[in-house]
Amino acid sequence: GEDVEQSLFLSVREGDSSVINCTYTDSSSTYLYWYKQEPGAGLQLLTYIFSNMDMKQDQRLTVLLNKKDKHLSLRIADTQTGDSAIYFCAESSTNAGKSTFGDGTTLTVKP
Amino acid sequence: EPEVTQTPSHQVTQMGQEVILRCVPISNHLYFYWYRQILGQKVEFLVSFYNNEISEKSEIFDDQFSVERPDGSNFTLKIRSTKLEDSAMYFCASSEDRMNTEAFFGQGTRLTVV
Repeated sequence: GEDVEQSLFLSVREGDSSVINCTYTDSSSTYLYWYKQEPGAGLQLLTYIFSNMDMKQDQRLTVLLNKKDKHLSLRIADTQTGDSAIYFCAESSTNAGKSTFGDGTTLTVKP
Repeated sequence: EPEVTQTPSHQVTQMGQEVILRCVPISNHLYFYWYRQILGQKVEFLVSFYNNEISEKSEIFDDQFSVERPDGSNFTLKIRSTKLEDSAMYFCASSEDRMNTEAFFGQGTRLTVV
């Protein structure tokens, strides 16, 4: 079945850029998502990208998609302590609600 | 801003008991979903629901589980005869349509089976 892989931990200093990487296996993936989960909270959709796009920028967030390598990344510019959370990569091929999630990357931002 | 609400936020139940987790999706949404996240593990799809019937379910969603939309606003997940391994965070989500890019997630219900 489909699989989504992420590195588990990332630590950066406040003000630096963070880059969270994700790889997926389903070549029919149509939508790729980044979710943020703060402690004790639900899943917040940060941004998404269609598979026919290479890049999407939304304020401090930049998503890069390499469809050939099935690699997705999320770059957070000027990372703040409030960005500390778990970031999940997810993909879906047809039904936006039925997504396959990665394990999540715990981002720690040090002052 | 519209949101998906889930109740309770935390439920503790004894093994073998039945639990019902409740969700109120966003009012104009037509597709509803349940996911679960066992502590330290991935978020896993359980089931999707549309037009008063299950449209898709995962292998996890066996006969122990059922979903229902008992009225125009609630969407419930029932777990019969709970097991210790059912302990997890359960997320409800809804989307406006099947091909919508965004499914809105609730805050989750943490189920603890003791």
